[in-house]
Amino acid sequence: DAKTTQPNSMESNEEEPVHLPCNHSTISGTDYIHWYRQLPSQGPEYVIHGLTSNVNNRMASLAIAEDRKSSTLILHRATLRDAAVYYCILRDEDFGNEKLTFGTGTRLTIIP
Amino acid sequence: DVKVTQSSRYLVKRTGEKVFLECVQDMDHENMFWYRQDPGLGLRLIYFSYDVKMKEKGDIPEGYSVSREKKERFSLILESASTNQTSMYLCASSKDRGAGEIDEQFFGPGTRLTVL
Repeated sequence: DAKTTQPNSMESNEEEPVHLPCNHSTISGTDYIHWYRQLPSQGPEYVIHGLTSNVNNRMASLAIAEDRKSSTLILHRATLRDAAVYYCILRDEDFGNEKLTFGTGTRLTIIP
Repeated sequence: DVKVTQSSRYLVKRTGEKVFLECVQDMDHENMFWYRQDPGLGLRLIYFSYDVKMKEKGDIPEGYSVSREKKERFSLILESASTNQTSMYLCASSKDRGAGEIDEQFFGPGTRLTVL
């Protein structure tokens, strides 16, 4: 599986945008980029995913570099509830591959 | 509201005991997964199942077995618990995908197992 690299930790002020980077220089053409997050004392939850184009949903936006070797998860206006560990995961979307390989993620701290 | 539930939030067992961790999902999902989570190592896949009575080894299956007798239930079994199996155990489920489709995994709240 192709690997991802994320900073161990980041801090952001409440109500400001947050940009969480992820490097994936060995990404293959069939790898989708998934983001999950894990709030304290909970299991991970899905945030967003994409292949080539930028994606938006109610939780976040995903900006994907043109060469696909990096991506950025954008929280437009961070709240205290967004404090979590954020995981960037590559998943080969060939039919039959259901596995997710989690790294250690980025621990996001929100400062009130 | 979709749900993955795990039988216990906290569990304390002794070395050598047989331990059962139960996971139930109410979403009619075909795929179910067991992970363990340890500080500095992230989540690691132990076993997964894509159908009743089917199982596949994940990245770290040693010391574990699983059982899937019903679609909604996936059990993780520690035949003889050891101290190095002290960890947070997370269960997840997902819908079976057709070619080109993507389905997210839904996770339970986790069971923190301590083996003394």
